[in-house]
Amino acid sequence: EVQLVESGGGLVQPGASLKLSCVASGFTVSDYWMSWVRQTPGKTMEWIGDFKYDGSYTNYAPSLKNRFTISRDNAKSTLYLQMSNVRSEDTATYYCTRGVTTFDYWGQGVMVTVSS
Amino acid sequence: DIVLTQSPATLSVTPGESVSLSCRASQGISTSKHWYQQKSNESPRLLIKYASQSISGIPSRFSGSGSGTDFTLSINRVESEDFSVYYCQQSYSLPRTFGGGTKLELK
Repeated sequence: EVQLVESGGGLVQPGASLKLSCVASGFTVSDYWMSWVRQTPGKTMEWIGDFKYDGSYTNYAPSLKNRFTISRDNAKSTLYLQMSNVRSEDTATYYCTRGVTTFDYWGQGVMVTVSS
Repeated sequence: DIVLTQSPATLSVTPGESVSLSCRASQGISTSKHWYQQKSNESPRLLIKYASQSISGIPSRFSGSGSGTDFTLSINRVESEDFSVYYCQQSYSLPRTFGGGTKLELK
């Protein structure tokens, strides 16, 4: 059974950094592109970026490229999202997903709240 | 960026009705359009890929059509478990974008 489990969310102050993790199981992580998608409290869905299975290529939403970094450790079957200089508008539920064009599996999501 | 506009924002129906949800793209995207269902307090689930391709495990009452800029998700005889929010998403170009969603609610 494919499972994606995110962690690392919580309350963070504006300007701080935060690193989210996503542990994958039930499939060979090194065979798939992986992506991060977020959903705001108003339910707007926003694609953050993706990461090729061999680590050779990463795409980002232009508005987030300078503050967010995606990485992965295939040996640990884990995908990461490093968020820096967070802002109130980064408050959202962050989902780890499998895929690059379609997202066929989603994690349960992890909430990030940016507030002082 | 490609903008996806979904309509209506809310659709009120009774179980047993058949419905169509619309997603319009701001430019042609061939059939690089996908549909997701999100039930309350759950993660999204892929329903239809590439406009009309079915997904294993998804009930056959869900179907998709369209190409270019206009796409439709059809639900044949809505069941109680279908009351959710539906999102479209394009993979024609980067950045990937989603529509604002259509909420299917009980009339």
